[in-house]
Formats: sequence, structure tokens, C-alpha cells
Amino acid sequence: NAGVTQTPKFQVLKTGQSMTLQCAQDMNHEYMSWYRQDPGMGLRLIHYSVGAGITDQGEVPNGYNVSRSTTEDFPLRLLSAAPSQTSVYFCASSYQEGYEQYFGPGTRLTVT
Amino acid sequence: GEDVEQSLFLSVREGDSSVINCTYTDSSSTYLYWYKQEPGAGLQLLTYIFSNMDMKQDQRLTVLLNKKDKHLSLRIADTQTGDSAIYFCVEYRAAGNKLTFGGGTRVLVKP
Repeated sequence: NAGVTQTPKFQVLKTGQSMTLQCAQDMNHEYMSWYRQDPGMGLRLIHYSVGAGITDQGEVPNGYNVSRSTTEDFPLRLLSAAPSQTSVYFCASSYQEGYEQYFGPGTRLTVT
Repeated sequence: GEDVEQSLFLSVREGDSSVINCTYTDSSSTYLYWYKQEPGAGLQLLTYIFSNMDMKQDQRLTVLLNKKDKHLSLRIADTQTGDSAIYFCVEYRAAGNKLTFGGGTRVLVKP
């Protein structure tokens, strides 16, 4: 199993640009989530999904969209990038909510 | 509040024991986890404890839970240089299906 994969590993955007961060898992996990990690703030939940076709907002959803058309994929879209979205983004999956989460390697995003 | 708090930094000599502390505020938490993040990598689950337990031991790791004081600790025995990482205390509440992460404790192991 590849586990949880994320692309790209690094990305630099200009303010106002849009892009999609990709996340895929091959463990047939129902629950997938996106977090952002900022220094000293732990991880904050952006959006999550409890299964294909079902998504919901987390703690910091503004400026981000998600969709879950398949069990495997959970892309995160930045609609109009802002410098405040400079962060490291982690995708995670688990068998169900509350179970051990498996994290991807992260995407380091810089918005100038 | 629903905060999980940890100290920012811990320095320890190789071979000594490390103790990382965490406090949380929600008494209805179901599980408490410790995740490890090595430089440039994602988080990996180290260990966890159910909220109805006081202690859990797993090889070099010992987790102590004091529910009355809402205090969780992770002890790493015989700390190695490979233990240098950021350690996150994470609280899970089944009601609301909510995970709350602490800010992380950076552990530096000196030879």
C-alpha cells in the first residue's frame, strides 16, 4: 500500500491564483480530512469527509473547497489564494472517525 | 474551552528519560493520542490511551492519564537521537466526532 499520498510537495502561488492540492489513499478508508499546520498552533481541521459524496466543514474552512467523488480521492481547492493561506497542508485518512489517522507527507504552500 | 496545551520545547540527553506533558480541558474526551512528527514528514501515531485508563505501557513509551487534573504525559525511556521530533497530544471526543490537537512539543535529543 502507498498509504496517503499528496501532491505537490511544494507550491508557490501569487495572491489571487487558484490551485488544487491532491490527496489519495489506497486503504479503502471512509474518513478523510485536510489540516493546515502553522507554527505553534498544532493542526487545524479545514474540511473532512465521512465517505464518498459527503463533506463537511472543519474549524477553518473559509477560502477552501473540497469534494469527494470517490473513496480514494479528496482534493482541496484554494479558490483565490491569500498570504494567510501560507502553511503546510496535511491530508489524513482513517477507517472511521476517531480511529488512528494516517497522514500524508504534506504540501508546503507559500502565497506571495 | 476545548484547548489542548503543551510546552513548546524539551531538551534531553541521549539515554535519559523524556517526559512530555499535556493538559486538556474537555472531560468528555474518549481517547487521547500521542502523534510524532519527524522533520519534513507527516504525523504518525505513537500510542493512545482510553479515557477510562490510568496508564499504558508500550515498550519504551509510558502514557499516564490523570483525569481529575486533565493531565496526560508521555514518558520515553532511554531516549535516542531518533526520538528528536515534534510530539502532538491529541484529544478525541466521540460526541461531535472532534479531534483537537495541541500545539506540539519539540524534543531535541543531545548526544
